[in-house]
Amino acid sequence: SQKIEQNSEALNIQEGKTATLTCNYTNYSPAYLQWYRQDPGRGPVFLLLIRENEKEKRKERLKVTFDTTLKQSLFHITASQPADSATYLCALLMDSSYKLIFGSGTRLLVRP
Amino acid sequence: EAGVVQSPRYKIIEKKQPVAFWCNPISGHNTLYWYRQNLGQGPELLIRYENEEAVDDSQLPKDRFSAERLKGVDSTLKIQPAELGDSAVYLCASSRDAETQYFGPGTRLLVL
Repeated sequence: SQKIEQNSEALNIQEGKTATLTCNYTNYSPAYLQWYRQDPGRGPVFLLLIRENEKEKRKERLKVTFDTTLKQSLFHITASQPADSATYLCALLMDSSYKLIFGSGTRLLVRP
Repeated sequence: EAGVVQSPRYKIIEKKQPVAFWCNPISGHNTLYWYRQNLGQGPELLIRYENEEAVDDSQLPKDRFSAERLKGVDSTLKIQPAELGDSAVYLCASSRDAETQYFGPGTRLLVL
């Protein structure tokens, strides 16, 4: 069956450390993988997109890696801040249908 | 630019009652999406519009859900009659291209 898995347990880290979130998928062949941030009571906000032929993408303190052999993406936030506390969703964009399929998200809590 | 606008933000109804949600996408965005997000889960696509045409409604429960996008701008999603299991957040998103979607704040529906 097709699945997108993100850690359901919250990630709790100290301010200044690097947060690493994992997204694994099975039985999908996405064209792109995206990461979104969602705060309570708000809609998801697009952060980064990485294509199937890209290994790594960076944006300010954010870094995403994409391994299509392992079917895994890692999302890193360096020098984390309490304001980074939120739920982070990974999503697969299917090329043929332009359908975006979301994981269930991982909650990140950055302690001051 | 203004973001995606949704109304109402909250709705409480009794089961078997009808309910409607409204979405105004970002100006110039031809693609509009309706998602449903259950608690602790990622958004799930209900329907996607390209201008006025519904190009993917495979996940829309057509016995009770309907949607329209007249004139290719605003959209309305309706549920009639509502069931207890319809309690969720209904998110609208829009995009100019297939890669990046911009989400509204959502409508929180509680069916009693």
